[in-house]
Amino acid sequence: SQQGEEDPQALSIQEGENATMNCSYKTSINNLQWYRQNSGRGLVHLILIRSNEREKHSGRLRVTLDTSKKSSSLLITASRAADTASYFCATDKGFKTIFGAGTRLFVKA
Amino acid sequence: DTEVTQTPKHLVMGMTNKKSLKCEQHMGHRAMYWYKQKAKKPPELMFVYSYEKLSINESVPSRFSPECPNSSLLNLHLHALQPEDSALYLCASSQAPGGRETQYFGPGTRLLVL
Repeated sequence: SQQGEEDPQALSIQEGENATMNCSYKTSINNLQWYRQNSGRGLVHLILIRSNEREKHSGRLRVTLDTSKKSSSLLITASRAADTASYFCATDKGFKTIFGAGTRLFVKA
Repeated sequence: DTEVTQTPKHLVMGMTNKKSLKCEQHMGHRAMYWYKQKAKKPPELMFVYSYEKLSINESVPSRFSPECPNSSLLNLHLHALQPEDSALYLCASSQAPGGRETQYFGPGTRLLVL
């Protein structure tokens, strides 16, 4: 069963614009992670935010976490065509990592 | 070396064939995972190996048989698969077992069952 649900399912923006993706989850977590997947390839870890953190930055990425609302957002600033990929949030459920449905981002050059 | 490698990249097999997928990591990670991913869906966990022992089997049909010969290698043996088993099979590893750990993924094996 999915722990995380993401919206939007798909997002199309112009290069240079910001992209925001949201993730909601159902049960309490220790941390939340974001992964990126280029078409038909393996997933690449982007960022991890712990349950006691509210915001984290890594380069052009900004992640927020609101444990009271059981939600997280990933912001990609100044997007590039190379950011075109699927983005998944992932939460821990015991010894398992559960992935959300994912957001497909398309950045037009 | 922060890479997880998987072979083959592509595999086409008939329903009566026996084949194996291979995964290798040299990061000293003690947990390894198999995921199945259908198009436009998230990865679904199949198996978890922790310290070379099978710790989680997500009710996967017996036509999928995992094996962990040593701490660096993970195999997935396939036998009598069905067309609906066609998918991208992803291997991953993490330093320690547990959902809190960052996982490192291989590029996947794209499997087509005819």
